[in-house]
Amino acid sequence: KQEVTQIPAALSVPEGENLVLNCSFTDSAIYNLQWFRQDPGKGLTSLLLIQSSQREQTSGRLNASLDKSSGRSTLYIAASQPGDSATYLCAVDGGSNYKLTFGKGTLLTVNP
Amino acid sequence: DGGITQSPKYLFRKEGQNVTLSCEQNLNHDAMYWYRQDPGQGLRLIYYSQIVNDFQKGDIAEGYSVSREKKESFPLTVTSAQKNPTAFYLCASTFTGELFFGEGSRLTVL
Repeated sequence: KQEVTQIPAALSVPEGENLVLNCSFTDSAIYNLQWFRQDPGKGLTSLLLIQSSQREQTSGRLNASLDKSSGRSTLYIAASQPGDSATYLCAVDGGSNYKLTFGKGTLLTVNP
Repeated sequence: DGGITQSPKYLFRKEGQNVTLSCEQNLNHDAMYWYRQDPGQGLRLIYYSQIVNDFQKGDIAEGYSVSREKKESFPLTVTSAQKNPTAFYLCASTFTGELFFGEGSRLTVL
């Protein structure tokens, strides 16, 4: 059974720092990996989707990498801003009907 | 604008009552999903549907039921058989594998 772990569970940084969020998964046979952002009491917003054949994806200040063989993905946030404060979740798709397995998330706080 | 609409946003229920959460999407997506989110836990899949008039159980389907009579709609009923229904419920849909979510419905059992 696929398990997804996100480390750290919480992270607090000063504004302007570059930071890395980590996601690991136990079964490397994945179809894709997706990073989401969740604000308190809200739904999830898709940030980046990496197909299993890709190594990374970029969107603005966000860069996500994928290393299937080691079961790892990282989300890099450049020049962090207070508006980046949220919970970030990663989820892997094992290729069966687009069912995702989620990590518990990393709560990011960016201090002005 | 295209998106997923969940209603109600907040719902209170007495023990022993069934409640139905609405999920409507105008993205023309074939697949729809219901997830449950509890504090300190990852999202867990309740039910999913790939096409109209067909749906499958997820990891925690006991105490829940769904229907998929229209492509746009995937309502979730939380029955009295669900032992711990207080949670945040999220509906999602996809066409290509990238999941899009609604804003969620928070159910509280009194």
